[in-house]
Amino acid sequence: KNEVEQSPQNLTAQEGEFITINCSYSVGISALHWLQQHPGGGIVSLFMLSSGKKKHGRLIATINIQEKHSSLHITASHPRDSAVYICAVRGGGSNYKLTFGKGTLLTVNP
Amino acid sequence: EPEVTQTPSHQVTQMGQEVILRCVPISNHLYFYWYRQILGQKVEFLVSFYNNEISEKSEIFDDQFSVERPDGSNFTLKIRSTKLEDSAMYFCASSGTGRAFFGQGTRLTVV
Repeated sequence: KNEVEQSPQNLTAQEGEFITINCSYSVGISALHWLQQHPGGGIVSLFMLSSGKKKHGRLIATINIQEKHSSLHITASHPRDSAVYICAVRGGGSNYKLTFGKGTLLTVNP
Repeated sequence: EPEVTQTPSHQVTQMGQEVILRCVPISNHLYFYWYRQILGQKVEFLVSFYNNEISEKSEIFDDQFSVERPDGSNFTLKIRSTKLEDSAMYFCASSGTGRAFFGQGTRLTVV
């Protein structure tokens, strides 16, 4: 069973700051997702990574498979980035189910 | 971007009643999932469905729960004889071999 740990649990930043959220997992995976959940509950997939780095706008996600660690970075943070960011990992083989971390609550103040 | 659609968005039911949560996955996806999130807790896997059968289920997914893909487009989760502890947000998701797409969720409240 994969244990997914995120840090920090809560993060408060000022608008414009560079944000980093970390995720570590205990067992090898086939892919890792970063997800965003807004108040009201809907989940949006931001990235799926199996190696290296991906960038979309102000968001950057990296993964180190050997160290079983991933980071999500937000450059030039904005109050609309305020949300819960969740790391979820996908096991190997043909099973594509996700195991979720507890999430990081990000609040960006103007 | 393609969307997974869930209905209803909110459901209130009396303890002991049966509920059916509905989902329309993305049309060319092959894998379908139900997850739930109890308020304040992390999202938990319930069941995955592939090729018209359950491919994996968690220990939460007991005989009270069932899933169906009745007509090739809808994907349903039935909860028989609901309990207070079934109150949660239920998410449907679908995927091909890549990124998973999630519905907006159904908030189930059992009273």
